[in-house]
Amino acid sequence: GNSVTQMEGPVTLSEEAFLTINCTYTATGYPSLFWYVQYPGEGLQLLLKATKADDKGSNKGFEATYRKETTSFHLEKGSVQVSDSAVYFCALTGRNTGTASKLTFGTGTRLQVTL
Amino acid sequence: DAGVTQSPTHLIKTRGQQVTLRCSPKSGHDTVSWYQQALGQGPQFIFQYYEEEERQRGNFPDRFSGHQFPNYSSELNVNALLLGDSALYLCASSFWGADVAFFGQGTRLTVV
Repeated sequence: GNSVTQMEGPVTLSEEAFLTINCTYTATGYPSLFWYVQYPGEGLQLLLKATKADDKGSNKGFEATYRKETTSFHLEKGSVQVSDSAVYFCALTGRNTGTASKLTFGTGTRLQVTL
Repeated sequence: DAGVTQSPTHLIKTRGQQVTLRCSPKSGHDTVSWYQQALGQGPQFIFQYYEEEERQRGNFPDRFSGHQFPNYSSELNVNALLLGDSALYLCASSFWGADVAFFGQGTRLTVV
């Protein structure tokens, strides 16, 4: 079955530091890959996505590239802000019709950014 | 445009009781999925509804059941509550066949 493995947190960074959160996956076929973010007390928000190999998803300064050869989708940001403090989830969904929204999530990585 | 709305936001129930959680999808969306997020964990897929039928189901017991109404809103029912059912329950909506889902803020269920 499908699975997602994320680096364990928490990750603590100073403001303006470079961020990498590792994510690898196991899936049949060609899944779509996602990063969702969860701020304290809130639901999940889609941060970015990529639907095929070598695609780069980007949003709000965050980027992730779909690497099929290494089955990875690492999240990066060049300069984090205190407002980026949240829990980040890597996820995938199958490409077959009818599997929309059946997301498989990693366990999440908590990011804390300090001044 | 209202996003995905869930009610109630918080709920406390006693072991053995039954609970119903509600979800209104984002305007225009026809597919609703439910997830359980235990503390410190990623969300786990419970089931998905489209055209008022359960289309897919995750690894959850029959105590978890659902319903979708003609206006696409949905309910999640859990019978015979266990302490382990305490979690944040998330509803996600989408278009059928799409790969992007929008999540509500969740219902925090505490079983005592």
